[in-house]
Amino acid sequence: GAVVSQHPSWVICKSGTSVKIECRSLDFQATTMFWYRQFPKQSLMLMATSNEGSKATYEQGVEKDKFLINHASLTLSTLTVTSAHPEDSSFYICSARRGKYEQYFGPGTRLTVT
Amino acid sequence: SQQGEEDPQALSIQEGENATMNCSYKTSINNLQWYRQNSGRGLVHLILIRSNEREKHSGRLRVTLDTSKKSSSLLITASRAADTASYFCATDPTGFQKLVFGTGTRLLVSP
Repeated sequence: GAVVSQHPSWVICKSGTSVKIECRSLDFQATTMFWYRQFPKQSLMLMATSNEGSKATYEQGVEKDKFLINHASLTLSTLTVTSAHPEDSSFYICSARRGKYEQYFGPGTRLTVT
Repeated sequence: SQQGEEDPQALSIQEGENATMNCSYKTSINNLQWYRQNSGRGLVHLILIRSNEREKHSGRLRVTLDTSKKSSSLLITASRAADTASYFCATDPTGFQKLVFGTGTRLLVSP
């Protein structure tokens, strides 16, 4: 089966610092990856669509300069939360698309900003 | 933006009973998928139903899709305590090639 990993699985950082989260498709190439955030007891909200070799497409209301996305290769996308604040604390989940409809999700990264 | 609304928001049943969750969505779709999420964990894909399908089965799961009503249901039969989790529907809106998640149903199955 297709496997998507995320690193780190959890991170604690101080307010004002930046945090990078990696999303990798381990056994397939993904031209498109997606980033979601999830607050406790809520659903997943799509933040952006990451396309290899081009700029990410952000959903309405998501700050591009705040959440930097880089899809450097067919197996790696990164999300950098810049100048993090406590309200950015959340569960961030990536997914990678294989083929037309299949999407595989990473295990998530829990970010806590103190 | 949130595509789907699910109900109930929470469901509590006894082991052995059936659990039914409903999902309604707003736009035309390529397919609809159901996922399970255990507390604080990643998503597990359960089943995908295409827009031209009306019903699909997988083990104890039965999914229906009514595109005229823009709704779907997930039935879990003979539930087990291990089925305790949050369940989300996700739609693949036509022309967008991305998944948009519903609000979710929290299922608690008591032994």
